[in-house]
Amino acid sequence: GNSVTQMEGPVTLSEEAFLTINCTYTATGYPSLFWYVQYPGEGLQLLLKATKADDKGSNKGFEATYRKETTSFHLEKGSVQVSDSAVYFCALILTGGGNKLTFGTGTQLKVEL
Amino acid sequence: DVKVTQSSRYLVKRTGEKVFLECVQDMDHENMFWYRQDPGLGLRLIYFSYDVKMKEKGDIPEGYSVSREKKERFSLILESASTNQTSMYLCASSFSTNEKLFFGSGTQLSVL
Repeated sequence: GNSVTQMEGPVTLSEEAFLTINCTYTATGYPSLFWYVQYPGEGLQLLLKATKADDKGSNKGFEATYRKETTSFHLEKGSVQVSDSAVYFCALILTGGGNKLTFGTGTQLKVEL
Repeated sequence: DVKVTQSSRYLVKRTGEKVFLECVQDMDHENMFWYRQDPGLGLRLIYFSYDVKMKEKGDIPEGYSVSREKKERFSLILESASTNQTSMYLCASSFSTNEKLFFGSGTQLSVL
């Protein structure tokens, strides 16, 4: 079956630190990959996506590269801010699989001054 | 701005009660979804719908049913609530296949 594995949190960083949240996947076909973010008290919103191998998704200073050889889609940001504190979800959807997203368990990020 | 609205932010029910969770989207989206979110388990798909009066089971449909009588509204029904259905419930919608999902803010349901 399809699955997404994320590093466990919480991840606690100081402002302006470098962020990496690891995500690896298992899929029976060719997935598109996503990062969603959930700010406190809100629903999830799409942060970035990549639809094929070697694609790089980017948004709001966050980046992730679709690595087929390592089945990974790690989220990175060069300098985090307090406002980036949230829960981050990695997800995949199979091409032709309708809209059935498979989510990871989420990684909580806390950024302190 | 696009909007997915869930009827209640917090809900407390008793074991055995019939519970209705309502979700409305104003974007004319074809697809609507119900997920539950639990610590350490992430989001799990309960049911989804690609069209009016159409529904398909997700990964954990047991104990739930859904209704989609109008395109903009997707209801989740707990026929007889149990304590293990205490959870955060998230509704989402999308325009078409592989398009991004728009989520509501969630309903925190507690079953006592």
